[in-house]
Amino acid sequence: GVTQSPTHLIKTRGQQVTLRCSSQSGHNTVSWYQQALGQGPQFIFQYYREEENGRGNFPPRFSGLQFPNDSSELNVNALELDDSALYLCASSLFRNSPLHFGNGTRLTVT
Amino acid sequence: AQSVTQPDIHITVSEGASLELRCNYSYGATPYLFWYVQSPGQGLQLLLKYFSGDTLVQGIKGFEAEFKRSQSSFNLRKPSVHWSDAAEYFCAVGAVDSGAGSYQLTFGKGTKLSVIP
Repeated sequence: GVTQSPTHLIKTRGQQVTLRCSSQSGHNTVSWYQQALGQGPQFIFQYYREEENGRGNFPPRFSGLQFPNDSSELNVNALELDDSALYLCASSLFRNSPLHFGNGTRLTVT
Repeated sequence: AQSVTQPDIHITVSEGASLELRCNYSYGATPYLFWYVQSPGQGLQLLLKYFSGDTLVQGIKGFEAEFKRSQSSFNLRKPSVHWSDAAEYFCAVGAVDSGAGSYQLTFGKGTKLSVIP
């Protein structure tokens, strides 16, 4: 399945953070979602074959990387308090296949 | 832009009772529709999906959903709820960005299900 690390993380406002995801084997598409407390997940961006393939309404300080070995990263610079959320990674076999989600990384910004 | 409304924030049912969770969507084309379930501290698990064809969709764990285009609805049902079904349920509409070829889900805010033993 999809695995994410770390499970929990505490950062200070202004810092930078990197979240990691290991996609399901053979899946060439990875998407990242932000889930604030009490809300549904919101689309951050999608990567397909190591290139960004679509972005939601998130500023450029949210960036990502996808590697050939089924792993990917979400990077957030200049952390703000509102960035506190559960960050979910999801992989899919193709760009329009159902998403398979990991358990997420809980980020707290103080 | 697409949107999803889940009118019920919290529903409580007795074990063994039937369940219906409501979902209304707004999308200009034929939608891809999904129901996901999230247990506390967990990610999202896909219950079922509708892409096309038969409007009554069967999923895992005994769930089903019916797509009604005229009502822009995709309600989730289960005839007999088990205590282990207590969780948060999210309806989502999938939209392909034709320019980027990307595929993104827009989720509702979720319905929390509590089950009374």
